[in-house]
Amino acid sequence: GAVVSQHPSWVICKSGTSVKIECRSLDFQATTMFWYRQFPKQSLMLMATSNEGSKATYEQGVEKDKFLINHASLTLSTLTVTSAHPEDSSFYICSARGPVGPGTVSYEQYFGPGTRLTVT
Amino acid sequence: GNSVTQMEGPVTLSEEAFLTINCTYTATGYPSLFWYVQYPGEGLQLLLKATKADDKGSNKGFEATYRKETTSFHLEKGSVQVSDSAVYFCALSNNFNKFYFGSGTKLNVKP
Repeated sequence: GAVVSQHPSWVICKSGTSVKIECRSLDFQATTMFWYRQFPKQSLMLMATSNEGSKATYEQGVEKDKFLINHASLTLSTLTVTSAHPEDSSFYICSARGPVGPGTVSYEQYFGPGTRLTVT
Repeated sequence: GNSVTQMEGPVTLSEEAFLTINCTYTATGYPSLFWYVQYPGEGLQLLLKATKADDKGSNKGFEATYRKETTSFHLEKGSVQVSDSAVYFCALSNNFNKFYFGSGTKLNVKP
């Protein structure tokens, strides 16, 4: 149980275009989803936190108009990188948190496999 | 502020060797500490955690002890297997919302 998927697993796009990354919780309802970014040989950095049905909360330094996050349902969150540029090339990872069994409350975050974005 | 520092890899060991991956942290308050593992092509999986000083987290033969006096949470395993080859991330969190991750240590175990 507690599986999180991401789609696509990798994407190449041209500079100036937008790209959408999906994050799904497959077998539980994710009340909160998190988006991270990872540069090569560096830590995962939290970009934003989103609660279902609410606007995302962005970390300091993250442009909310560039990285649009939508969490419209309890199983799906999307990250759209708008007007992508080569410096946006990175590995994007989502995680989801929610009760994973009847009557449970889980504080653990379950991570997706990540999406490699390359902007040319 | 909060940050996590872990040893750079890759770490290459022979099967059945002893493993130590160092992790130190700086934090405000009293964080919980975690080790996550990422196998190739998969997401991060929680390996073990400790929520207060002197706690020992353990799972699948891996252990780590929350040392407040040295601000460390080193990962150890007595006898590694080829199947342990993965990237290991040390992390801390004060409230289970925001996690601070180390840069990851790649472990290669050779038969």
